Amino acid sequence: EAQVTQNPRYLITVTGKKLTVTCSQNMNHEYMSWYRQDPGLGLRQIYYSMNVEVTDKGDVPEGYKVSRKEKRNFPLILESPSPNQTSLYFCASTRLGAGGYTFGSGTRLTVV
Amino acid sequence: QQPVQSPQAVILREGEDAVINCSSSKALYSVHWYRQKHGEAPVFLMILLKGGEQKGHDKISASFNEKKQQSSLYLTASQLSYSGTYFCGTETSDSNYQLIWGAGTKLIIKP
Repeated sequence: EAQVTQNPRYLITVTGKKLTVTCSQNMNHEYMSWYRQDPGLGLRQIYYSMNVEVTDKGDVPEGYKVSRKEKRNFPLILESPSPNQTSLYFCASTRLGAGGYTFGSGTRLTVV
Repeated sequence: QQPVQSPQAVILREGEDAVINCSSSKALYSVHWYRQKHGEAPVFLMILLKGGEQKGHDKISASFNEKKQQSSLYLTASQLSYSGTYFCGTETSDSNYQLIWGAGTKLIIKP
């Protein structure tokens, strides 16, 4: 089944404790992206990647890191999480120029 | 700049029709439409490319007016399953495949 897999689905952590949210797709998509979704603010892009070893900042990159060492994986790293990073996070992928985005199931992150 | 979606919310009875609009201040290359149910991921509905072609998906269709820089999503004879928040994502010719998302339109269908 074609899908984007995100883990974990739920995560509660403390301020300053490094964490990684994993994202993997099995569709051989070149493009992958991370979004955060907050009430009333819609989807805001954090980082995106057009291909392996190519990453770029989105609209709200501060406090986040990403890497794209393999085509299928695009992990989101929070080196020192803060409470304002409490949000619902989505990973998405697509074949460039060929159609819609496939989203992962989301990760609800709470930083206390 | 974020496209403007209207209305922000709409409540319908099952079987009624709805129109959701997405307007941009920039010239558009494509418009995507997605539906998100509460607590779930957005699901792709359709993409409209520059050219004004109307697309359909069961009883959900959409149009794209390049000159007006806007797209409309039409839901006819709405079903309970249509409930959710609808987002448009817009791509401009210089956006390098990036989508700028609207704030969403919440659709509630009552029996």
